[in-house]
Amino acid sequence: QVQLVQSGTEVKKPGASVKVSCKASGYTFINHGMHWVRQAPGQRLEWMGWINPGTGNIKYSQKFQGRVTITRDTSATTAFMELSSLRSEDTAVYYCARDRFTSQFVMDVWGKGTTVTVSS
Amino acid sequence: QSVLTQPPSVSGAPGQRVTISCTGSSSNIGAGNDVHWYQQLPGTAPKLLVYVNANRPSGVPDRFSGSKSGTSASLVISGLQAEDESDYYCQSYDSSLGGSMVFGGGTRLTVL
Repeated sequence: QVQLVQSGTEVKKPGASVKVSCKASGYTFINHGMHWVRQAPGQRLEWMGWINPGTGNIKYSQKFQGRVTITRDTSATTAFMELSSLRSEDTAVYYCARDRFTSQFVMDVWGKGTTVTVSS
Repeated sequence: QSVLTQPPSVSGAPGQRVTISCTGSSSNIGAGNDVHWYQQLPGTAPKLLVYVNANRPSGVPDRFSGSKSGTSASLVISGLQAEDESDYYCQSYDSSLGGSMVFGGGTRLTVL
């Protein structure tokens, strides 16, 4: 079955970086885009960016431009999201989510989420 | 940044019908961009409920239906069941600020 398995909980200090992985299985990795979405406690879902695993094309939300880097390893069918210069407001659950196609911008399969806590 | 506006909460008794609205603007829904809906049970990841305004993924009951008109969209849940108690989010694409996916603030559905 189609599955996205994310890396585990992270605790980071302000100013540090965090890198979250998302291992895809059950489908052809390069045929579907991958999005990253976060949700701070009690807040709305917030889109961070997208990658086309087949071409490597990337689009970032302007809000995170300069702080977020999305990459992929096609041989490992894994996508990564790195967020730098962490601050307390970055405390959130970070989700990877598969696009229905490459760039329809509809997310049809979600990972379970990775909790990132930023605290001194 | 442009956002989509949803009512914070709605409620209904079992068997009733509820509507959740999603109001956008000329840079997102009003620009002709499609609207999608997600259901998020407490402590879990969102689940796709309706895509491209009115389509349901396989496995989603036909009690859930979506529509779009102008700068707004709606999710209708008919024949409310206890397990429908959840948060619901609308999502669209916004062409301002370089283009971005945007979500509504979410609506908490309570089944009385």
